[in-house]
Amino acid sequence: DTEVTQTPKHLVMGMTNKKSLKCEQHMGHRAMYWYKQKAKKPPELMFVYSYEKLSINESVPSRFSPECPNSSLLNLHLHALQPEDSALYLCASSQVIAGGLGEQFFGPGTRLTVL
Amino acid sequence: DQQVKQNSPSLSVQEGRISILNCDYTNSMFDYFLWYKKYPAEGPTFLISISSIKDKNEDGRFTVFLNKSAKHLSLHIVPSQPGDSAVYFCAASRAYNTDKLIFGTGTRLQVFP
Repeated sequence: DTEVTQTPKHLVMGMTNKKSLKCEQHMGHRAMYWYKQKAKKPPELMFVYSYEKLSINESVPSRFSPECPNSSLLNLHLHALQPEDSALYLCASSQVIAGGLGEQFFGPGTRLTVL
Repeated sequence: DQQVKQNSPSLSVQEGRISILNCDYTNSMFDYFLWYKKYPAEGPTFLISISSIKDKNEDGRFTVFLNKSAKHLSLHIVPSQPGDSAVYFCAASRAYNTDKLIFGTGTRLQVFP
């Protein structure tokens, strides 16, 4: 299994809603990532988990709350989002190798619209 | 400040010809570079990478060239096929910090028959 899966594919939410994005991989990767991608822009790193511990938070607002319940799962909890948070949210995973991390494998993304 | 730049937003190439996608970077600390391909409604797919200790890496139809002194890399696709039509992102990182990939803005490649 060389896939990273993400659910849901599309999500529309109001500014007062609470929702969660889910990501799963079964490649035995011990690093997982959340990226945000706006239209016609490159993916921007949000969070990195290594061995289920948060290792990087790129100064992301607290209305985004990541969670890594085990080595295969990564969640992104959303609360009180703003319309400008509408974007494609990509999950990725990679091996942890000597000297750093391996190539990242991406999921298809969740297209989020905040009304 | 865009540390990784792809100055051509789009490229159109005839099937069978060579496609050359370019990428420039500004941070001299970068020493690991990757190319990703992205189809609509899918996540980026890893294509090929190169470490700064090399100046060329080849994988089938794909070859990446790195010119460290010019802070420039390029992806060559030979021969180009219609299925190669996608957005191509280059990405860079520092080897001791490969968890932090910096992506370029992407180049949309269209291969026509």
